[in-house]
Amino acid sequence: QITLKESGPTLVKPTQTLTLTCTFSGFSLRSSGEAVGWIRQPPGKALEWLALIYWDGDKRYSSSLKSRLTITKDTSNNQVVLTMTNMDPVDTATYYCAHGGASDYRIDSWGQGTLVTVSS
Amino acid sequence: DIQMTQSPSTLSASVGDRVTITCRASQSIGPWLAWYQQKPGKAPKLLIYKASNLESGVPSRFSGSGSGVEFTLTISSLQPDDFATYYCQQYNSRFPYTFGQGTKLEIK
Repeated sequence: QITLKESGPTLVKPTQTLTLTCTFSGFSLRSSGEAVGWIRQPPGKALEWLALIYWDGDKRYSSSLKSRLTITKDTSNNQVVLTMTNMDPVDTATYYCAHGGASDYRIDSWGQGTLVTVSS
Repeated sequence: DIQMTQSPSTLSASVGDRVTITCRASQSIGPWLAWYQQKPGKAPKLLIYKASNLESGVPSRFSGSGSGVEFTLTISSLQPDDFATYYCQQYNSRFPYTFGQGTKLEIK
């Protein structure tokens, strides 16, 4: 059974850097065909894809946010970390981490999400 | 990034109706399209992957079709539990993944 859980601050100030950690179980990012991604959803709005890291270290980022995002993996601790710089109130959202697997990297499992509010 | 456009944005229907949601990609994505169902306050749930493959445990009244740039999600006979928001997502690994803007399925 695959599980994922997001952790990090619930409140950040404008211009600060957000660091979120996804801790997962039920698969290994050492294994071929596995990936972990991040998606966010502002209150009442649509899902927005942010980033994905593959088992082999390859990465994909949203083009519109690429300059602000960094995704890394810690395979020993089954964690993936997302950092987003220069936070703004429009970045207020629920942030989800998710598993991409089955060798075609479809997103088949999601964490519960964590609400991050950007406010001074 | 590839743009995904869903239609309609809102759909009003009754229990027992057959409904179809369309998703169009700004360029060909092959079969690499997924459909998700999301209920308020919950994470999305995968329904369909690779355009037409039913995820394990998903009722057979859900089906998907399409390839290239145009895709559809069909619910053959709406059940009360199906009223939710539906998203398409392209996952062609050559590009950053992207979602459609969502279709809210409401009770008529």
